[in-house]
Amino acid sequence: AQSVTQPDIHITVSEGASLELRCNYSYGATPYLFWYVQSPGQGLQLLLKYFSGDTLVQGIKGFEAEFKRSQSSFNLRKPSVHWSDAAEYFCAVAFSGSARQLTFGSGTQLTVLP
Amino acid sequence: EAGVAQSPRYKIIEKRQSVAFWCNPISGHATLYWYQQILGQGPKLLIQFQNNGVVDDSQLPKDRFSAERLKGVDSTLKIQPAKLEDSAVYLCASSLGRGGSGELFFGEGSRLTVL
Repeated sequence: AQSVTQPDIHITVSEGASLELRCNYSYGATPYLFWYVQSPGQGLQLLLKYFSGDTLVQGIKGFEAEFKRSQSSFNLRKPSVHWSDAAEYFCAVAFSGSARQLTFGSGTQLTVLP
Repeated sequence: EAGVAQSPRYKIIEKRQSVAFWCNPISGHATLYWYQQILGQGPKLLIQFQNNGVVDDSQLPKDRFSAERLKGVDSTLKIQPAKLEDSAVYLCASSLGRGGSGELFFGEGSRLTVL
């Protein structure tokens, strides 16, 4: 069955530290891959996406993600976290033939310590 | 450019009552989605429209949920009668559809509490 897994429910980092949020998917082919961020009381905002080509993609707010086909992963990274990055992060995939429907992971809550 | 508009932002009802949520997508976006986000979970697709036609409503509990997009623009999601487990944030999203980048634009959501 097609699925998306975010193994970390909650991550805490200090401001200025690096960040990596994990995302794995289960699917027989390469899906379209997305990372969204959701601040409290807000809708979801797209950080970045991967369709094809260069496996390292750059997004907004200094985020990047790397697609690794061999590991079925699409991990989100940021070299230096800012306090304003505290939010919930969702990995999402669109499987082929799904008419752009997104299947979301369960999310990772990021806390940033001063 | 105006974003996806949703109303109401918050609604509290008792079980067995009815509720309706409204969504106005970004102008020109042919595809409209309703997602349900239960606390602590990722959003789950309820229904997808392409213009005024339904593309997928396989995960919509049709015994109590209904949705329409009569003129291919704004949309209404209704729950009747509501159950306790319907407490969630209902997110509307839109996209260009065919030929677009695949990016979904989300509204701020309508938070439903069923008592």
